[in-house]
Amino acid sequence: AQKITQTQPGMFVQEKEAVTLDCTYDTSDQSYGLFWYKQPSSGEMIFLIYQGSYDEQNATEGRYSLNFQKARKSANLVISASQLGDSAMYFCAMREFGSSNTGKLIFGQGTTLQVKP
Amino acid sequence: DVKVTQSSRYLVKRTGEKVFLECVQDMDHENMFWYRQDPGLGLRLIYFSYDVKMKEKGDIPEGYSVSREKKERFSLILESASTNQTSMYLCASSLTRDNEQFFGPGTRLTVL
Repeated sequence: AQKITQTQPGMFVQEKEAVTLDCTYDTSDQSYGLFWYKQPSSGEMIFLIYQGSYDEQNATEGRYSLNFQKARKSANLVISASQLGDSAMYFCAMREFGSSNTGKLIFGQGTTLQVKP
Repeated sequence: DVKVTQSSRYLVKRTGEKVFLECVQDMDHENMFWYRQDPGLGLRLIYFSYDVKMKEKGDIPEGYSVSREKKERFSLILESASTNQTSMYLCASSLTRDNEQFFGPGTRLTVL
């Protein structure tokens, strides 16, 4: 069964430093997509970045990049030059695109990131 | 910008009450989803819908039902609320099954 694991319940980072949030996944499908969402204290989930399983290059969006290691089944989020506004909960999620393409996302447990001034 | 709105940010109900959570999206998206979020468990899918009057069970549908009479509106119904349904409920929509999902602000429901 497909599963997403985020092993870091909480992380601290100093402002302006880079931080890596871990995500491992389990799927038997060859075609899938990996997503990262940010959830500030306000509660709304904000889409950050997407990586397809067949994408050869790691996805990047501004200060966010996804370190995709297919053989290890990991999709870590890297935030460069952390800002105070990055303090939030971060969720890794996966969607399978095969015959069971329902569009639904499987989410990890989340990682709470706190950026220190 | 896509906008997904939910009828209430906070809701307090009593055990046994019928509860309606409303979700509206303004971008003509085909797909809509209802999740619940609990600490340590992430988000879990309750129900989703591909089109008007269509619905599919997610991973935890027990105790819930849904209604999609119009494309822009997806309602989650708790027929008889119980204390274990105290949670944060998040609605999402996506243009197609392959696109990213856009989320509403969430409804924090407390059942006493």
